[in-house]
Amino acid sequence: SQQGEEDPQALSIQEGENATMNCSYKTSINNLQWYRQNSGRGLVHLILIRSNEREKHSGRLRVTLDTSKKSSSLLITASRAADTASYFCATVSRAGSYQLTFGKGTKLSVIP
Amino acid sequence: DGGITQSPKYLFRKEGQNVTLSCEQNLNHDAMYWYRQDPGQGLRLIYYSQIVNDFQKGDIAEGYSVSREKKESFPLTVTSAQKNPTAFYLCASLGGGGVFDNEQFFGPGTRLTVL
Repeated sequence: SQQGEEDPQALSIQEGENATMNCSYKTSINNLQWYRQNSGRGLVHLILIRSNEREKHSGRLRVTLDTSKKSSSLLITASRAADTASYFCATVSRAGSYQLTFGKGTKLSVIP
Repeated sequence: DGGITQSPKYLFRKEGQNVTLSCEQNLNHDAMYWYRQDPGQGLRLIYYSQIVNDFQKGDIAEGYSVSREKKESFPLTVTSAQKNPTAFYLCASLGGGGVFDNEQFFGPGTRLTVL
């Protein structure tokens, strides 16, 4: 079953603008991860945020987590055409120790 | 080069045939996974293995089988019982400690098409 639900499903922005993607989930989690997938390729891990963290940064990426609202957001600042990809959130529940549950993803297009 | 390899990149199957997708990793990871991805969709877990000679069903295991005889290898067989096997298949691995602290590493995928 899919726990994460990304919003929007698709996002188109101009190069240099910021891109914000949201993820909502249903049950309590241990951590939440964001992955990126270029078209027809495997996924690449971007960032992991634990349930006791509220915000995390990595380069141009900023991730927030609100466990009371069961939601997370991924912000990509100063976007580049190379950021064009699909972005997925994945959750790890407290009960499961080896499983990630992926959402359906947000397809980001950055127009040069 | 450390990583996960999947072969073949593209695979065509006639209806009624079994096919096996290969997944090999040299990351010395204990856990390995198989996911299925349909167009515009997220990943759905087929099977996973936490250790050699052990594997668990995921959400959509029907019509699929796996083996884990070696740490490095986790092949997936798509059987004729899988009614709609056309999809993109992704293999992943995870280091020790489970998903509480670790990311999954993904292979490049195999695109399976049933003719």
